[in-house]
This record gives sequence, structure tokens and C-alpha cells, in this order.
Amino acid sequence: EIVMTQSPATLSVSPGERATLSCRASQSVRANLAWYQQKPGQVPRLLIYGASTRATGTPARFSGSGSETEFTLTISSLQSEDFAVYYCQQYNSWAPLTFGGGTKVEI
Amino acid sequence: QVQLMQSGAEVKKPGASVKVSCKASGYTFITDYIHWVRQAPGQGLQWMGVINPNGGSTTYAQNFQGRLTMTRDMSTTTVYVELSGLRSDDTAVYYCARGPSNSGFADHWGPGTLVTVSS
Repeated sequence: EIVMTQSPATLSVSPGERATLSCRASQSVRANLAWYQQKPGQVPRLLIYGASTRATGTPARFSGSGSETEFTLTISSLQSEDFAVYYCQQYNSWAPLTFGGGTKVEI
Repeated sequence: QVQLMQSGAEVKKPGASVKVSCKASGYTFITDYIHWVRQAPGQGLQWMGVINPNGGSTTYAQNFQGRLTMTRDMSTTTVYVELSGLRSDDTAVYYCARGPSNSGFADHWGPGTLVTVSS
């Protein structure tokens, strides 16, 4: 099983600041990496797939980068609606598909 | 537009089984996988498995082998997940989610079904 490790667990930032979230895979997942946003009481929302491709409706302030085992989600200028939990997920190996533990972005 | 509508909340006793449905609409049912992902209270996301509506083949996470069954009904474009031998740690929100073009990520998610296991 590929283990996905996200850091930090909690990120405290102010609106307008840049946020950088990290995701590390225990073995190479090539570029088969997705990022999701989940707000309290809401359903996860796909932000990024293929490590760097924004999903439909994802604002341009969200960008993904990385490959193999190291990935980053950057929010260039945090808006109030961006405070949420962010999960990475690898889909290179389906035995099983695995998610990271999440990074909570808070004020 | 793509919609995934799930059945309502369930309360089950330990050892029982639960079956949750997910009705898909707004796209061609057979072209995209349906994943099932669960989330225990206050916890992260856990992938359970996937079904290919085109043919009905399934892949399950090993953690659930022997307890998990995914099926689909082509006539109603509905996918089902059944989990048997329920334990208290199966208490979670169960989501169905579409994997576009049979991908491993999910671009549309159902609203979730809360399953509570309690004696």
C-alpha cells in the first residue's frame, strides 16, 4: 500500500497570504496525484488532478506541482472561502487508492 | 449536470449488514467508474473500492475483503455498496464518487450517507 503523508497537519495563515501544502508518497506515483478541498459539513471537492491540472471551476490561485514522490499544492493568495481541509490522493496504484491524512488551513 | 443521489441515513446493530445506494444521472452511466469512499467522524477519507458499471467488475480495498460487495443496476443507473459484519468503527459517512473516464480520482461526489453502528 502506498502511504501518503501530508504536512503540516495544520497551517495557520492570514487572508491574502500564500499557503504551501506538502504531500509525500512512500513510493513513486508518477503524476497520478489529486488534491481535494473539504469544508466543514461539506462533500470533498476535486481541485487538481494529474498533479497539476486544475479541475473545472478551480480558481487560478490554486496550483499543483511535483511528481514521483513529492507534491505541493499552493494557494497564491488565500481567500476567506479557502479555509478548509485539503487532502491529496494517489491513483497510481489501485491496491488500494490512498489518501493523505489532510492539512487543515485555518486563520 | 452530473448528479449522484444517495439513500438516507442508516442505524444498524453490530454484526448486521447495510446497503447504500447511489443513483447516477446527467452523464453516460457506463463510461465512468463509481468509487466508494468513507469518512469516520472527525477523520480523513478512506477508499473502499470501485465498480465499473460497464460489465460490473469491481476492485475492493483489502481492508474490506470478504465484507464488501458492490453491484450496479443498469436499468436504474444505480450503484450499491453493501457492507456486512458491521462494527462500531464502521460508523462513517459513505460517499459515492464518479471517476471520470475510468480514472482513479473523483470529480463528482454524492452527498454522503451516514451509517451509524450502535448496539
